[in-house]
Amino acid sequence: NAGVTQTPKFRILKIGQSMTLQCTQDMNHNYMYWYRQDPGMGLKLIYYSVGAGITDKGEVPNGYNVSRSTTEDFPLRLELAAPSQTSVYFCASSPTVNYGYTFGSGTRLTVV
Amino acid sequence: GQQVMQIPQYQHVQEGEDFTTYCNSSTTLSNIQWYKQRPGGHPVFLIQLVKSGEVKKQKRLTFQFGEAKKNSSLHITATQTTDVGTYFCVTTSGTYKYIFGTGTRLKVLA
Repeated sequence: NAGVTQTPKFRILKIGQSMTLQCTQDMNHNYMYWYRQDPGMGLKLIYYSVGAGITDKGEVPNGYNVSRSTTEDFPLRLELAAPSQTSVYFCASSPTVNYGYTFGSGTRLTVV
Repeated sequence: GQQVMQIPQYQHVQEGEDFTTYCNSSTTLSNIQWYKQRPGGHPVFLIQLVKSGEVKKQKRLTFQFGEAKKNSSLHITATQTTDVGTYFCVTTSGTYKYIFGTGTRLKVLA
């Protein structure tokens, strides 16, 4: 049982480049989330999904896009990367809304 | 939107001392969760509190939910070096979204 798997673990992007952060879970969880964590700070919600085909914005969605075509996968797309997007990105899932999250190990992204 | 404030931001304790972090909200919370994040790691779910005045224990950790459901605390008895990390309280905002508190960073000096 792998839980929540994120790839890649590390990435350096140049300003203006695009990339997709992958997240997949094998627990059949309906709810999936993307958070970003800046150094020494808390986690900010970027986007979330309550099921396949359904996504919604969180606190800081600008500069990002998501899709949820299957229950397992919830990729996060960065278009036109900016230095302000340098952060650690965590994907999480839960079976229902009132249940603890399972987090992936994170993607450390640097935009230069 | 919903916000939770955690105090203190940082705490350094000598190994064996107790530690408490507090989570406060200006509005009534439907529930509260606690997570631990080790340095360089990802958050790990510890517990969820739902009922007014609820107290739950996990070994040396004691979690409380206030009677008015506006505050919560996490108390660690006799800290160990393995307790090092950042402790976050988390609450719901709207129906589906969880909002993280600012976190308390704990350092344990051996």
